[in-house]
Amino acid sequence: AQRVTQPEKLLSVFKGAPVELKCNYSYSGSPELFWYVQYSRQRLQLLLRHISRESIKGFTADLNKGETSFHLKKPFAQEEDSAMYYCALVGAGNMLTFGGGTRLMVKP
Amino acid sequence: DAGVTQSPTHLIKTRGQHVTLRCSPISGHKSVSWYQQVLGQGPQFIFQYYEKEERGRGNFPDRFSARQFPNYSSELNVNALLLGDSALYLCASITRGMRTSGRDEQFFGPGTRLTVL
Repeated sequence: AQRVTQPEKLLSVFKGAPVELKCNYSYSGSPELFWYVQYSRQRLQLLLRHISRESIKGFTADLNKGETSFHLKKPFAQEEDSAMYYCALVGAGNMLTFGGGTRLMVKP
Repeated sequence: DAGVTQSPTHLIKTRGQHVTLRCSPISGHKSVSWYQQVLGQGPQFIFQYYEKEERGRGNFPDRFSARQFPNYSSELNVNALLLGDSALYLCASITRGMRTSGRDEQFFGPGTRLTVL
């Protein structure tokens, strides 16, 4: 079975502070991991994927197979980063499994 | 390109009724996935279709069914509605889709909000 856990429902930080949204996964094979974001009144959209090893909007995420984690990080949060963030995993059967999501609020 | 479109936007049904939700993928995409998102939770995978064939199924009862048409649009059908079926139903259009991989991207529609009374 594949499972994604986001332990924080809500994360509140001040503008300019570092941000880390936690994601842990459970999967017996080699996972493919993603972060999706949903801004207010917008559609769910892909933020980044681990195979690309890219930085999008200042966000990065590193896959740590030893700790089975894929935490999302940004050194300096901006108000426009306020959104709902979902970690997701693709494993067997073409299933994209999402975590429960973390709401990030960046205060001015 | 309007992106992924879903209809209707909102729907209210009563227990025991049947519902059909529709999705049109991005032009050129041959695969769609359906998700259920209950309030306060992440989306849960229901089905994936590629070239009109089912390629993946989540842990949902047989009351849930879907199909994909020759133009790659898709319908999700739910029979014998229960109160617990109230949710946002999302459709995603997938860039390749034979097998979902890290190299594919799923583009989500705005969703259909289903309320079962």
